[in-house]
Amino acid sequence: TQLLEQSPQFLSIQEGENLTVYCNSSSVFSSLQWYRQEPGEGPVLLVTVVTGGEVKKLKRLTFQFGDARKDSSLHITAAQPGDTGLYLCAGFNTGTASKLTFGTGTRLQVTL
Amino acid sequence: EAQVTQNPRYLITVTGKKLTVTCSQNMNHEYMSWYRQDPGLGLRQIYYSMNVEVTDKGDVPEGYKVSRKEKRNFPLILESPSPNQTSLYFCASSLFGTGGPEQFFGPGTRLTVL
Repeated sequence: TQLLEQSPQFLSIQEGENLTVYCNSSSVFSSLQWYRQEPGEGPVLLVTVVTGGEVKKLKRLTFQFGDARKDSSLHITAAQPGDTGLYLCAGFNTGTASKLTFGTGTRLQVTL
Repeated sequence: EAQVTQNPRYLITVTGKKLTVTCSQNMNHEYMSWYRQDPGLGLRQIYYSMNVEVTDKGDVPEGYKVSRKEKRNFPLILESPSPNQTSLYFCASSLFGTGGPEQFFGPGTRLTVL
């Protein structure tokens, strides 16, 4: 079973601070997805990275796929209360019969 | 409006009483799947389906059944629910691109088995 570990598990910061969330595995993935989930709702896809070393930006969010495709990071610049939520990474591998493996999540709280 | 709908949203039942959670999508997606979400364990895939009449086990399929007779519907069946199946369940659908299944999730079904 492929495992994805996210760190930190919990993060509480003030508005305007920067933060980085990590998603690590000992396995290689074909692609990595990042989702955000708000209370009472299903996760929403933020981005997919497919190439080792790839960097994608979504406004104040920067996503990076590790060169070896075993890890990924999400960096948020100048966090806002609207960024509060559960961030989930999910790995896909064409060699695992089309299954998507989710990480355990990072719960972020941004306060004023 | 593109969406994945699940019913019911909340369900309290007793051990052994068969139940079905329905899932429907209106985006003509081929890939659909079911997940359960538990504190500290994250989202775990129960079953997935690549297309009509094609289903396969995810990581935690024990105690669950699925069927995919139509492209839009993917019901989750618990033949004999047990308390350890108390959880938050999500249905999801997606197209299947080079980055894998980019999931579009439903609103969730909170199930309690007494």
